[in-house]
Amino acid sequence: DQQVKQNSPSLSVQEGRISILNCDYTNSMFDYFLWYKKYPAEGPTFLISISSIKDKNEDGRFTVFLNKSAKHLSLHIVPSQPGDSAVYFCAARGSNYKLTFGKGTLLTVNP
Amino acid sequence: NAGVTQTPKFQVLKTGQSMTLQCAQDMNHNSMYWYRQDPGMGLRLIYYSASEGTTDKGEVPNGYNVSRLNKREFSLRLESAAPSQTSVYFCASSQEGLGKLFFGSGTQLSVL
Repeated sequence: DQQVKQNSPSLSVQEGRISILNCDYTNSMFDYFLWYKKYPAEGPTFLISISSIKDKNEDGRFTVFLNKSAKHLSLHIVPSQPGDSAVYFCAARGSNYKLTFGKGTLLTVNP
Repeated sequence: NAGVTQTPKFQVLKTGQSMTLQCAQDMNHNSMYWYRQDPGMGLRLIYYSASEGTTDKGEVPNGYNVSRLNKREFSLRLESAAPSQTSVYFCASSQEGLGKLFFGSGTQLSVL
């Protein structure tokens, strides 16, 4: 049973446009959500997070939105840059502070 | 700034062989984790250690053992490797409760 779902395996956008990556979850006990970015042959790196008591968090070009009633979060990247091309993982924190990860979305930003 | 260091980076084993993946962090974090990443499967938790002296099973612990040697080091052992354990393994650490993980660069393991 997949508790964190990223239904789009890949996304392609033009440089300068907005990238929107989506994530759905099923466990209402998740209290903290994170996005990680992963380049090939490297470990994932933390990008941005949001607490379940908020609905938006911004950090420069990156904004995460949380809709608790829909159990949905999204990551917006504006404007998208070629260096943003990577796999993006959504993660949710549950009991014992363990993270559950989605399967990832490969973002390609075309020059 | 070493962060989380994993060794080795690459390893090829034959079915039935054993090996230990090493992980060390220099950020004084309490919690450490072992994940595996498989194509189309995302990151799955194998074992974790919330603090020195404790270890707990994650989502996919079968075929693995772990040792939290001290606060810095957390090793993952495959006693009898199987082809199903071919994967990329990531070690991570975090400050307790924050959820933000710092990952190592990974170990690519192939079991033939």
